[in-house]
Amino acid sequence: SAVISQKPSRDICQRGTSLTIQCQVDSQVTMMFWYRQQPGQSLTLIATANQGSEATYESGFVIDKFPISRPNLTFSTLTVSNMSPEDSSIYLCSAIDRDRGGETQYFGPGTRLLVL
Amino acid sequence: AQKVTQAQTEISVVEKEDVTLDCVYETRDTTYYLFWYKQPPSGELVFLIRRNSFDEQNEISGRYSWNFQKSTSSFNFTITASQVVDSAVYFCALSDYDKVIFGPGTSLSVIP
Repeated sequence: SAVISQKPSRDICQRGTSLTIQCQVDSQVTMMFWYRQQPGQSLTLIATANQGSEATYESGFVIDKFPISRPNLTFSTLTVSNMSPEDSSIYLCSAIDRDRGGETQYFGPGTRLLVL
Repeated sequence: AQKVTQAQTEISVVEKEDVTLDCVYETRDTTYYLFWYKQPPSGELVFLIRRNSFDEQNEISGRYSWNFQKSTSSFNFTITASQVVDSAVYFCALSDYDKVIFGPGTSLSVIP
């Protein structure tokens, strides 16, 4: 199974600033994803990070607010721009690992963000 | 459109009781995957099981078992002889090879 790490694990930020979250996978993967999990809620997909092309954003999420980079098959970053308290969430990176039986989506440990 | 419903928001059981977490899904795809994930209080998402839409065999793994019924679009999860360490939020999820959609989650509390 793919092992995914994220940095930072948590941060407290001031309103109006930006934070870049890094995601590293221990193997090459085609598809990486960024999710947001607001307190007490389920996971909401922000975007699919495509290697070599722009990320594909879900409804309600825009590139100006959540720019994503995917420079290679093992790494991606998500930036939360011009933060407000409403952005306080856990941000999770995930990747799809394929084996003979099919595919499974594994998750990083998450980045807990608190915006003051 | 795809959708995953977990009707049980919160469940409390006493240790050693059996508990079943319900999951109902909607999809127009004929080929898809279903998953269960566990999210303990520490926050990490732990993969529990994957089921291909063509494989309706039920599965047992230790105290965990899963009942997949395509006819009712359900993929229920049973924990036998629950333990305090089972306390967590459990998410059912659906994937159509493109992205994974999560249900709202069921918070399970196992009381000693």
